[in-house]
Amino acid sequence: DIVMTQSPDSLAVSLGERATINCKSSQSVLYSPNNKNYLAWYQQKPGQPPKLLIYWASARESGVPDRFIGSGSGTDFTLTISSLQAEDVAIYYCQQYFDTPITFGGGTKVEIK
Amino acid sequence: QVQLQESGPGLVKPSETLSLTCSVSGGSIDTYYWSWIRQPPGKGLEWIGFIYYSGSTNYNPSLKSRVTISVDTSKNQFSLELRSVTAADTAIYYCARVYTEYFPQWGQGTPVTVSS
Repeated sequence: DIVMTQSPDSLAVSLGERATINCKSSQSVLYSPNNKNYLAWYQQKPGQPPKLLIYWASARESGVPDRFIGSGSGTDFTLTISSLQAEDVAIYYCQQYFDTPITFGGGTKVEIK
Repeated sequence: QVQLQESGPGLVKPSETLSLTCSVSGGSIDTYYWSWIRQPPGKGLEWIGFIYYSGSTNYNPSLKSRVTISVDTSKNQFSLELRSVTAADTAIYYCARVYTEYFPQWGQGTPVTVSS
């Protein structure tokens, strides 16, 4: 199985400041023939299902604010919230879909400082 | 926009079978892959398996011996059966639409507790 490791477990950021979440996969999720990274990011607020933010490591889902930026390749990925808003308080998960079983990171809780 | 809604018992006894259904509205089930994912209380997400409308499946090896996912195209529904449940199967169970094996749409989730 591909193990997804997120860091930090939690972080507190001031409103308007940048939040950075890291995700590392135990093996590369880059598929060379199409040069795509099979990596997605989700946001989960309390009592709600996860919401897809980013797929192919950096493609933003329709309707997702452009302050959410996905980057990285191979085994190391980052989700950046460029200017944290109050509504961004949530747990964020990365997910690899390079191979089954599909696996998720353990989550990063983002709070307001 | 496709919408998904889980339904089923919220309480299952140990050693019995957990059965859930996901109803798909706003679109036909015979277009995409569909999946079940679960989340134990206060924990992260675990993928259970996929099904295509044709009935082809792919299960998480950690659950494969106990899981069956099936589809009923006439009802626009797909279902989950998890046999021989224990307290470790207590979780919120989500159904989701699959696109290239990521999950653009999710149901609201249904909590299932395994307890006598």
